[in-house]
Amino acid sequence: EDQVTQSPEALRLQEGESSSLNCSYTVSGLRGLFWYRQDPGKGPEFLFTLYSAGEEKEKERLKATLTKKESFLHITAPKPEDSATYLCAVHSGGSNYKLTFGKGTLLTVNP
Amino acid sequence: ETGVTQSPTHLIKTRGQQVTLRCSSQSGHNTVSWYQQALGQGPQFIFQYYREEENGRGNFPPRFSGLQFPNYSSELNVNALELDDSALYLCASSRGQGWDQETQYFGPGTRLLVL
Repeated sequence: EDQVTQSPEALRLQEGESSSLNCSYTVSGLRGLFWYRQDPGKGPEFLFTLYSAGEEKEKERLKATLTKKESFLHITAPKPEDSATYLCAVHSGGSNYKLTFGKGTLLTVNP
Repeated sequence: ETGVTQSPTHLIKTRGQQVTLRCSSQSGHNTVSWYQQALGQGPQFIFQYYREEENGRGNFPPRFSGLQFPNYSSELNVNALELDDSALYLCASSRGQGWDQETQYFGPGTRLLVL
């Protein structure tokens, strides 16, 4: 069964203080790894899809990377509006109709 | 903002009642997936519909059922509501199925409270 573990569970940063979120996964044949951002009480907002080890994608202050066992979401010089829960999910050949999510990392950026 | 819409936004029901949640998928998408998200947890897969057929199901009892219509909109029905059914219900739409399924885009969710 696919498994996704995110760490840390919560992260508090000062504005401008860069850091990384981790997503480790165990799957039977990775089709894609997805990062979503979720604001309280709202649906997840799509950020990135990564398909193969070594792939990187960037969007504004966010950069996602992928290895064969884990993915990192790097946040450079974060702002208070980056505060949200960041969810990692995998789509695999073992259960190719669904996404398996981690529990998320709650990021708080203080001004 | 995605083109996925859900209704209602909030709902309060009592234990034992039945509820129907609705989802309109994004234009051009033919696959709809439903997820349940408890507070502080990641979304858990309920089931998926592709071109009006159930395409896969998670570990949810049969009292969770669904439909997909010819326009690819979808309903989630939950019978005999239990207190633990209180959660945010998310609908996601995408194109394709199986290995070829593309990115899932989520709606805003329906918050269900069972008293």
